[in-house]
Order: sequence, then C-alpha cells, then structure tokens
Amino acid sequence: QSALTQPASVSGSPGQSITISCTGASSDIENFNLVSWFQQYPGKAPTLLIYDDTKRPSGVSDRFSASTSDNSASLTISRLQTEDEADYYCCSFAGPTTFVRVFGGGTKLTVL
Amino acid sequence: QVYLVESGGGVVQPGMSLGLSCEASGFTFKNYALHWVRQIPGKGLDWLAVISYDGTFKYYARSIKGRFAISRDNSKNMVYLHMNSLRPEDTAIYYCAKSASGAGNAVAGMRSRLDPWGQGTLVTVSS
Repeated sequence: QSALTQPASVSGSPGQSITISCTGASSDIENFNLVSWFQQYPGKAPTLLIYDDTKRPSGVSDRFSASTSDNSASLTISRLQTEDEADYYCCSFAGPTTFVRVFGGGTKLTVL
Repeated sequence: QVYLVESGGGVVQPGMSLGLSCEASGFTFKNYALHWVRQIPGKGLDWLAVISYDGTFKYYARSIKGRFAISRDNSKNMVYLHMNSLRPEDTAIYYCAKSASGAGNAVAGMRSRLDPWGQGTLVTVSS
C-alpha cells in the first residue's frame, strides 16, 4: 500500500489543463518534504519532472508546474499535448528527518 | 552523459537469493548517493534503499529491511542490491537511480532528487 494517495486516472483534452493531487495517507508524513514528480511512459524508466516541490530540471517544459501545502502536493500540466499521456508519480520523504522515501500509487493521464 | 545500467535479473525460486548490479558512467561515481527502486509490472513505483556517496549510510524501506542489502564499490563504479529470502511479491523491474546533487555530502546527497534512472532489470520470483 502506497503511503501517498494519487487519483488512479485523470483525463483532459489537448490545450486544457489538468491537476494531479498527491496526499499523505499516513501520520508518518507530517509535512511534505522535497516533493518530486516523475513521468513514465509504458516500457520506459521514470524521468524527473519536478523536484524540491516546485523546481523543473532543465529541459522540462514550463507547462509542468507543481505546488505543495501542509499534507498534499499537486502537479499541473497546462496546454495539454498528446505526448503528455503517461503515468505520473509523486514522491516524498516518509518524514522530515528521514531519508526513506515513499511514492504515490501513480496516476495515468489520458489525453483525449 | 550519465548512464546507469542494471543487470543480474532473471528467474529465481522463492526463498532463494539474488544479487543485482548497477554500473554507472558519465559522472564521478564516488561523489553521489545511489538508490534502488522497483516496480511490479503494471503497478506503481516502490522505493527500496539509498546508499551515501561513501557507503557509510544506508537506509531501507520497511518492506524490505532485513532481507535486502545495498552496497557499492567506488573503485568499480558499481552499486549492488543483494536480495535474500525472495518472495513471489518481489517480482518486479528493479531500477537504480542517481542522486542528482550533494556531491561528497552524505545528507545532501541522500535527500537529493533521483535523476537519472537506469532502464531496469526484471526479477521474477517463481517456482
């Protein structure tokens, strides 16, 4: 069972915006710390989309943005493109003083 | 360019052991923390372990603590995952991933983002 809860699926049309939520499901996660988001295409390894809650690695489109609050995080994809259809995972630490990480269960984005 | 190449996967019987390797290139290996993450085919990601740049510190997910061990050989640019008492539910693709920053700093390195990842190696636990 994942410690972080994501919707199993979201969908949107090209040009629209969607938001994927990521919520702490355990009292072990007191605060979100350095949330990352990963994108994964079928049969491929995950790639980093967002790190340190809101930062984008070089080369990642500014259509991807993220935010956090006390016990949740969200990823927003603006101006949806067909190539955005993939699985998305959030990742955080299991607590503020640990190096153990937890992933969300993943969200499949379908671009209609 | 950073490359991470996992190997050692295959079919193993329940209760047996298996060792995975991850060979790194394209960066100063001895300066960075490394992670192992797995993924049951068709399912989500499951973080397993991290090892600090010098191998001093190791942290594990509760689900595998005591059965799996992470190690590294900085002279060979290799990180390893040794898995004991394997169960069918350990069947997964196993990825290694590099900590993107925190060179030579154990704390910063282990809290840094996972980037990039290798392509993974499939482990199947079945009789």
